[in-house]
Amino acid sequence: GAVVSQHPSRVICKSGTSVKIECRSLDFQATTMFWYRQFPKQSLMLMATSNEGSKATYEQGVEKDKFLINHASLTLSTLTVTSAHPEDSSFYICSAAGNNQPQHFGDGTRLSIL
Amino acid sequence: DAKTTQPTSMDCAEGRAANLPCNHSTISGNEYVYWYRQIHSQGPQYIIHGLKNNETNEMASLIITEDRKSSTLILPHATLRDTAVYYCIVRSANTGGFKTIFGAGTRLFVKA
Repeated sequence: GAVVSQHPSRVICKSGTSVKIECRSLDFQATTMFWYRQFPKQSLMLMATSNEGSKATYEQGVEKDKFLINHASLTLSTLTVTSAHPEDSSFYICSAAGNNQPQHFGDGTRLSIL
Repeated sequence: DAKTTQPTSMDCAEGRAANLPCNHSTISGNEYVYWYRQIHSQGPQYIIHGLKNNETNEMASLIITEDRKSSTLILPHATLRDTAVYYCIVRSANTGGFKTIFGAGTRLFVKA
């Protein structure tokens, strides 16, 4: 069964809206969570890494003020896409990792900005 | 982390074994080989991982060469539902804290 739950699975909203995506580890403590973005026919691109209780580390070229990440507990991380625009439309995927656990992935959130 | 090289795509007949190769010639001694797959419009699914020895689980087998410079993922009896993109990844540690960087993967088509 799924060990990482991501919500919502799909979002359609107007340009300028902020969108929050949740990622939960269901049966293990996720000391580290990762956020990826995937454009059509491309591979997953790592956006940021977050450790519980500390600030996220963003990959080069990813705007931290645009993509706000919060990892307040060992089972929950959120990604907020602030003031989203059509170019932010993508498939966003989270993953969670804990001690002695391979990295497990959520089922993704398809974000469409009109 | 070491880079991996995989064929862009492969075909396999349903019911036959699918053998997916991966080259990781720059792998270092403490790096593991991980395999994930991504079915269309879903998140990646963990399949198997190994360090030196061959590994087998309910999904697949992983064969790692003695010099560890390449490996093969084997799906013993491929089904149509195994059609997916398969990613071979080399990572520095067995614990979860190290980030997973994805390459282009191999697009496996299982045909009836």
